[in-house]
Amino acid sequence: GQSLEQPSEVTAVEGAIVQINCTYQTSGFYGLSWYQQHDGGAPTFLSYNALDGLEETGRFSSFLSRSDSYGYLLLQELQMKDSASYFCAVPRDSGYSTLTFGKGTMLLVSP
Amino acid sequence: KAGVTQTPRYLIKTRGQQVTLSCSPISGHRSVSWYQQTPGQGLQFLFEYFSETQRNKGNFPGRFSGRQFSNSRSEMNVSTLELGDSALYLCASSLAGDRVFTFGSGTRLTVV
Repeated sequence: GQSLEQPSEVTAVEGAIVQINCTYQTSGFYGLSWYQQHDGGAPTFLSYNALDGLEETGRFSSFLSRSDSYGYLLLQELQMKDSASYFCAVPRDSGYSTLTFGKGTMLLVSP
Repeated sequence: KAGVTQTPRYLIKTRGQQVTLSCSPISGHRSVSWYQQTPGQGLQFLFEYFSETQRNKGNFPGRFSGRQFSNSRSEMNVSTLELGDSALYLCASSLAGDRVFTFGSGTRLTVV
């Protein structure tokens, strides 16, 4: 089976940097993805890591360590609009046909 | 290009009734998967269709079923509704083998 653990809630202030951690247990590993969801809306794709290291996309970066079964999402220069839930997810198979999600981390950004 | 469209956006049903939800994927996307989202359980996988065939199924009772049509549009059906079926039902489409899933805004089902 597959399971992913992430903190339930993180708080930060505007302009700060925040890191959301994710640890996973899988029988086979095909990469780690991150999705953002605002208040019950559509989850949207943020990033994907197949190999160890850091992937940067604007203010957002994602890191993966396969040996530690660990990844994190780094959000810089936080803005109020970044308040949302963030999910880490892994594909169930090499065909990327489905995803298994963590339970999500709610990020609250305050002024 | 148009995104993933789910209809209806909101539904209120009574226990024991059945419901059908619809999902139109992005044009060209042949893989459609369904997820149930609740506050307690998060996003849980229901099933996935590709070219009208169910390829994967999650751990849900047989009351949950689905199908996919030749134009890749998909429907899911829940029969004999229970209070615990109240949830946001999300549909996602993707190109075969693509790591990016595009989600619809979901159908919010409330069972009373």
